[in-house]
Amino acid sequence: QSVLTQPPSASGTPGQRVTISCSGGSSNIGSHSVNWFQHLPGTAPKLLIYTNNQRPSGVPDRFSGSKSGTSASLAISGLQSEDEADYYCATWDDSLNGHVFGTGTKVTVL
Amino acid sequence: EVQLLESGGGLVQPGGSLRLSCAASGFTFRSHDMSWVRQAPGKGLEWVSSISDRGDRTHYANSVKGRFTISRDNSKNTLFLQMNSLRAEDTAVYYCVRHWDAWGLGALVTVSS
Repeated sequence: QSVLTQPPSASGTPGQRVTISCSGGSSNIGSHSVNWFQHLPGTAPKLLIYTNNQRPSGVPDRFSGSKSGTSASLAISGLQSEDEADYYCATWDDSLNGHVFGTGTKVTVL
Repeated sequence: EVQLLESGGGLVQPGGSLRLSCAASGFTFRSHDMSWVRQAPGKGLEWVSSISDRGDRTHYANSVKGRFTISRDNSKNTLFLQMNSLRAEDTAVYYCVRHWDAWGLGALVTVSS
């Protein structure tokens, strides 16, 4: 059971905006920056957002991240069929003295 | 082009050992912290272990502490994960990761009798 909680699923129609939450605590999100990853089954996970809200080169600006207190969010605007994947937040946890991943959210494009 | 290629996965009996390797290329390996992350069948991503760029600092998930050892050879651009006392719950695809923007395709480890 992860210390970072995400909704198990999210969905939207093409063009819609979808938001995924990541809830943590003072020892993790409250004290450290958050990364977000996209994972399609059978492929290598991909870094989508680093340091809360920064996009690596090549990641479309449809993806955006934010952090407030002990929670973080990933937003996907202009949802596309290729966005159908699993999404994970991750950060460092001082209490566990290690990195932690969120429980993961499966995004479905209706 | 950054490449991370895992090897050493396979089928092992409970209580057995396995050593994963990750050959890195296309970047200055000695300048980057590295991690192993795994995904059990039907489950989410789980961080396993990390090592600093010079190999002088290591961290482990509680689930593998005392059983797994992470190491690296910067002269050979290779990351390792020595896994001992393996359990059925260690069955997973193990990914080699350059913090945090490059991932290998993974190596499957199956622990079963």
